[in-house]
Order: sequence, then structure tokens, then C-alpha cells
Amino acid sequence: GAGVSQSPSNKVTEKGKDVELRCDPISGHTALYWYRQSLGQGLEFLIYFQGNSAPDKSGLPSDRFSAERTGGSVSTLTIQRTQQEDSAVYLCASSSESREAFFGQGTRLTVV
Amino acid sequence: DQQVKQNSPSLSVQEGRISILNCDYTNSMFDYFLWYKKYPAEGPTFLISISSIKDKNEDGRFTVFLNKSAKHLSLHIVPSQPGDSAVYFCAASDWDDKIIFGKGTRLHILP
Repeated sequence: GAGVSQSPSNKVTEKGKDVELRCDPISGHTALYWYRQSLGQGLEFLIYFQGNSAPDKSGLPSDRFSAERTGGSVSTLTIQRTQQEDSAVYLCASSSESREAFFGQGTRLTVV
Repeated sequence: DQQVKQNSPSLSVQEGRISILNCDYTNSMFDYFLWYKKYPAEGPTFLISISSIKDKNEDGRFTVFLNKSAKHLSLHIVPSQPGDSAVYFCAASDWDDKIIFGKGTRLHILP
């Protein structure tokens, strides 16, 4: 596709369940980011993949959060044992040498 | 520790006037700066950027100014239009590192 695609667009899950969020970046983009935006807050950095380098996981809020990027393309963000404070919009972005990141529409996660 | 700061959570500007959004950063290694615009229920969209070798970049109604000595950048929108009402995020990056975003400024364009 032409842009960054995220799925699902909305996810409602029960507290304690695991969820997986998917991101399809723009083809050829070497960098991939995950951010989240909680209600009324800014963009919180979670994790950054750049080419074959080890990912920068410094923004992951707890060990319940993990992400992988397979084959340098699709990425999955996994949240285990979800908590209500995990409710947020999770945004994925990708970029190339131009350094401008292009965002997907986000996944709105609601933990009930 | 916030490396990119947008100290004004919101700003109201009359339609037709100039909107000025401000951003400060702390990391002197940042060499590329970006502004994004975000409407509700949508992902942020890239607006304009500037490299640290410049002090001004203009694109239509949007101009970004960079003051490296003050570690400050600003986005000017002139004239402001109703469709400019959105949240604006300032962002910065080092050449080989992740993009860091500010908390955003909500711009309201008043009729």
C-alpha cells in the first residue's frame, strides 16, 4: 500500500488478556517506530527499529510490552496481561533516509 | 527528562492572523527538526521540517524558524485558516537516532 497500515483500528480487551497490534510500514522504509498517545497526552515513544540494528526499547513502559519486526518489514507490538492504564492510541510510523516519519491511523486500545 | 518541550498546551488565534507555535529542545546533537499536525482520530501528518544547517524553511503558509543558539524553533502559519485547527507536534532527531516528540500544542482558529 501507499501508506503505513495498522490493524486493528480498534481493540477492546478485558484486563489481563494479551493483545497484538500490527503495523505494515511503507515499503522500503528502514526505520519503524511505535508511539502511544494516552487521553490528553503527547506522543510517548515506545520502541524504534532501524535496519538490522538492535531495536531501541528504551521507551517500553514495562516488561509486559514487547515488539518485533520480521524481515525488516511488518512489526507486531504485544502487550501481555493488559491493564487499564494501557488504554491509549498506539501509533506506528516508518521513515527512510529522508528522516520524515509517516504515521498510520493508529490502533485505539481500550482495556475494560 | 523531556528533550523536546512545547510549553503552551493550547493557543487561540483569530482567522486570518498569524499563528506562532513554539518549541524548545535540550539535546545539542539534534540536527533535524519536524512539525506534525494531528486531527482527532487520525495519525499525525508531516507538515514541514528543517535541517540544523538552515535557520528558516518556508512552504506556502508555513514557515519554520530555527535558532540553534537558543535551542528554539517556531512554526508560523499565516494567514491562519479554520482547517488549521489541530494539535501540532514539534519533533527532533539526531542523525542516526529516533525521533523525539513534544507533548503538542492545540491550535484553535477563531472565526
